[in-house]
Order: sequence, then structure tokens, then C-alpha cells
Amino acid sequence: GESVGLHLPTLSVQEGDNSIINCAYSNSASDYFIWYKQESGKGPQFIIDIRSNMDKRQGQRVTVLLNKTVKHLSLQIAATQPGDSAVYFCAENPNGGGGADGLTFGKGTHLIIQP
Amino acid sequence: EAQVTQNPRYLITVTGKKLTVTCSQNMNHEYMSWYRQDPGLGLRQIYYSMNVEVTDKGDVPEGYKVSRKEKRNFPLILESPSPNQTSLYFCASSPVRFGRQGEGEQFFGPGTRLTVL
Repeated sequence: GESVGLHLPTLSVQEGDNSIINCAYSNSASDYFIWYKQESGKGPQFIIDIRSNMDKRQGQRVTVLLNKTVKHLSLQIAATQPGDSAVYFCAENPNGGGGADGLTFGKGTHLIIQP
Repeated sequence: EAQVTQNPRYLITVTGKKLTVTCSQNMNHEYMSWYRQDPGLGLRQIYYSMNVEVTDKGDVPEGYKVSRKEKRNFPLILESPSPNQTSLYFCASSPVRFGRQGEGEQFFGPGTRLTVL
């Protein structure tokens, strides 16, 4: 089965509010995680990544939190804007950079921004 | 403009008719990859390439071939397409294979929607 998944398939938030998108992973050997944004009709776009030696990483309006104890990853988007409407999915590198390649991707959460 | 391009963007074909989806990147990236995206399954890797003449199978390689004769191009070949290969395909490239933090960003192409009848 999927080693990476999302708790909610759809998340609706008011414009200006903060959004939190969650992701669970099952492979404790994974040491690298990525969040992607995919807008309708487009390819996935890298948002932010984090290595397992960190608990938190911040970008512009986005923060990724990693809780290795419970194997949980979250993406926080501050002050959501209409342009944030998209499907967000996480990915993990279960091989830790060695051996066979391949990220494992979650199925995605559709973030809807209400005006 | 730095980008990954794919052609065609949309393709409807019939079972058994060989087809090629091209992928090209202008960022001098070493690493390229092909994924398919299906509802409820997420992205799954088909093949990847570490560098010119170096390719390897991903999670779902059956029914596909690739080649990497030059750095910028990584075509996906379906020798005998079948209806179960109907999907949305993405090509991606990155400068290194998930190296130090911040250097593992993959750049995705716009996608190719393939329908096999």
C-alpha cells in the first residue's frame, strides 16, 4: 500500500486564513521529504523540502514541520491567497539517497480558498 | 526561460500503435525522470536517468522504454500501447538526485494526457 498518504482529500479555507495540510508516512528510513503544489492542468511544482535531521523549515509563506516520532509531515501556508488553490501532495525518499531510486508520492489534498 | 517541455500535450491513439512522447530540458540537468499520474494513485515513477546513457527502471516500467542519448532529451516510448496505459504523464528533471537540501528540486513538465483506445 501507500507509504505516504494524506489525512484529508479536500481542505476548504477562507482567504487570508492559514492552511495546514497533513501527510503521514510509514517508512521510518525515509530521510528526505518534499511538498509539491499542482495547479489544474499543470505539472507539480516544488514548494519546499526537508531532511530528517530537521524538525522545521520555513520558506516564503510556507513552513514544513516534520515529526519523526509519529511519522507525520505538515505544510503550513500563511495568509492563503486565491492563487494557493491547488492540489498539494507530499513525497518521501524512502531510500535515503542510496540504492534504487524513486520518490513515493501521496495522493494529494485539494486546497480550496473561499473568498 | 528554464523549463521542461513535453510533446505532445494530448494524444489519442489505438492499441498497438507505437508512440513516443518527447521530453526536453534546457537547464543542463543530469537527472531526468518519467512519471504517470492516475486518479487515486498519485504519481508513480516509470523510468529515470542519472545521466547520458544511464537509465533505470522505476516503480512501473512495464510496457515502456526510454533512452538518454543526450543530456537534454529523455523520450518515453510505448512500443505497443494498451488501454491500461491511458494516463497523465510527466517528465521531470533536476540538477542532482536529491542531494543536499535545496538542491533536490525537480522541475516538472506540463504533462501529456494519453488516451489509448
